[in-house]
Amino acid sequence: QKEVEQDPGPLSVPEGAIVSLNCTYSNSAFQYFMWYRQYSRKGPELLMYTYSSGNKEDGRFTAQVDKSSKYISLFIRDSQPSDSATYLCAMSSPHSGGSNYKLTFGKGTLLTVNP
Amino acid sequence: DAMVIQNPRYQVTQFGKPVTLSCSQTLNHNVMYWYQQKSSQAPKLLFHYYDKDFNNEADTPDNFQSRRPNTSFCFLDIRSPGLGDAAMYLCATSSRTGYNEQFFGPGTRLTVL
Repeated sequence: QKEVEQDPGPLSVPEGAIVSLNCTYSNSAFQYFMWYRQYSRKGPELLMYTYSSGNKEDGRFTAQVDKSSKYISLFIRDSQPSDSATYLCAMSSPHSGGSNYKLTFGKGTLLTVNP
Repeated sequence: DAMVIQNPRYQVTQFGKPVTLSCSQTLNHNVMYWYQQKSSQAPKLLFHYYDKDFNNEADTPDNFQSRRPNTSFCFLDIRSPGLGDAAMYLCATSSRTGYNEQFFGPGTRLTVL
């Protein structure tokens, strides 16, 4: 079993739809949970991060973490064509032997929002 | 603007011909990472520097090496590229403290002929 599982999609929705993106994980050592957005031929950029179970909202984006189920979600309200990108979940755990953390990424979900 | 810069953006090399990819940062971050990302796959951590301390991932092939001459620059050397090394190579940085938000560069797309 991979440490982080993410449905690669692709996911195609009409403009204005609510989008739900999900990841599951198996490693209980993960402490921080992040969502990155990656446009075609660009590096990932951080969208949101959470630490505890529950919801965190930022504009049209809501990140949700359920540690008991080892499940995280990203919701996008009123989706726009400019949201078309690959969305990567990432989880952070202490790096062995060091005080910094390492990220483990999901494969990413390719989202297309159609005008 | 503070940022992570990668050069070149596109690199074509021949099978077995050494290649060096460059990363620089103006964020003054202590930690620099190199990831390999193949099409439709998750970025895979190759190694990272924590200040001058080099940390190699256990499954990174010996063909991949890295140098960090100073805080701002980090290089990825591929000694003998194979066809399977064709990928996007991402450089990222983070500060010593915190939950490890990583800032990524735009990537270098490597083609091996």
